[in-house]
Amino acid sequence: AQRVTQPEKLLSVFKGAPVELKCNYSYSGSPELFWYVQYSRQRLQLLLRHISRESIKGFTADLNKGETSFHLKKPFAQEEDSAMYYCALKSKGNTPLVFGKGTRLSVIA
Amino acid sequence: GAVVSQHPSWVICKSGTSVKIECRSLDFQATTMFWYRQFPKQSLMLMATSNEGSKATYEQGVEKDKFLINHASLTLSTLTVTSAHPEDSSFYICSASQGQGALGGELFFGEGSRLTVL
Repeated sequence: AQRVTQPEKLLSVFKGAPVELKCNYSYSGSPELFWYVQYSRQRLQLLLRHISRESIKGFTADLNKGETSFHLKKPFAQEEDSAMYYCALKSKGNTPLVFGKGTRLSVIA
Repeated sequence: GAVVSQHPSWVICKSGTSVKIECRSLDFQATTMFWYRQFPKQSLMLMATSNEGSKATYEQGVEKDKFLINHASLTLSTLTVTSAHPEDSSFYICSASQGQGALGGELFFGEGSRLTVL
């Protein structure tokens, strides 16, 4: 069964501090992993995906198949990073996303 | 990126009435759309997969007679909450994939529709 676990409901950090949002997954095949972000009163939007291996807004995430993790990291948090972050998984093709429960990141000035 | 639009964004209805929510892919064709439900401060739960020209596939525990899904064209899927009750109050979100290629696998989300049943 596909499952995504985000152990932290809320993460508070000071501005300029490093951030790591944890995500572990359970999947028998080769999954596609994503991070989505939802800013206040806005729709879900893609932050990054493991296939593209790019950095968006200073965030990076590395897929670790051995640890079945896809943690989201940023070296220096900014106030505008405060939002809800969802880790998600899908199998290849036209299939739905399975979401974790989300982590609310609060960056304190 | 591709745009998915939902309408209405907010609806209030009386208990026992039916409400229709539309989901449109504005600049691409979507053979498959997905409907999610999000309770306050909780994650998105997949309700059903909507396939153009065929019956929707519902997740376990989701009543197909309660949540009617119609995907009549490549750009429109509708979710009708029939005989709504207060416990159906929720945030309903649709998403669609642009298909394969460079953006293959990426889902684009609508802005969501908040349903409040009195």
